Amino acid sequence: EPEVTQTPSHQVTQMGQEVILRCVPISNHLYFYWYRQILGQKVEFLVSFYNNEISEKSEIFDDQFSVERPDGSNFTLKIRSTKLEDSAMYFCASSARAGNTIYFGEGSWLTVV
Amino acid sequence: AQTVTQSQPEMSVQEAETVTLSCTYDTSESDYYLFWYKQPPSRQMILVIRQEAYKQQNATENRFSVNFQKAAKSFSLKISDSQLGDAAMYFCAYRRSSTGNQFYFGTGTSLTVIP
Repeated sequence: EPEVTQTPSHQVTQMGQEVILRCVPISNHLYFYWYRQILGQKVEFLVSFYNNEISEKSEIFDDQFSVERPDGSNFTLKIRSTKLEDSAMYFCASSARAGNTIYFGEGSWLTVV
Repeated sequence: AQTVTQSQPEMSVQEAETVTLSCTYDTSESDYYLFWYKQPPSRQMILVIRQEAYKQQNATENRFSVNFQKAAKSFSLKISDSQLGDAAMYFCAYRRSSTGNQFYFGTGTSLTVIP
């Protein structure tokens, strides 16, 4: 069964450093998302991406965050200068069409120290 | 704004028994989608079941079924014949159908299955 894959599964980084989280969405999907889950809290929407541009973003997704689809398969989330409060599980997800069910990857656990 | 409320932070069920997890939501939309996702200790988010608001029939997936009460804005998940592998955090989620792709999640219910 097709699945969303994410790398790395866990990354520890120093505060102020740049981090890139990578995702390979399901191959025929057109909509891509990043969500995050701070430990013990609910899953929160960050951004959705379609046709090589951001279609929707939340208040959390400030100038420190960016997304990119550098080639036909990868979808990345970059955090320019990490803060302690960026420590969370970051989930990539994809869907075939707008409004379809979204399928999540296994998550990338980011720890900022 | 859309909000999703799960009022049961923790639930437990005896193996082979039935349990119901509650979810309510707030929206002014008439058409939308509702979901239940399961998050086991591995922390992956796994789709359990989905319901379209325009459908009156409650969705069913094997041992999982929902009780969708549109007027009451209630969307509960029933797990029948509970198995040890059902132990997980369960999240209710809402999505508008008209525009946007943002899912709104509840705070989750942690389900323990007692052997």
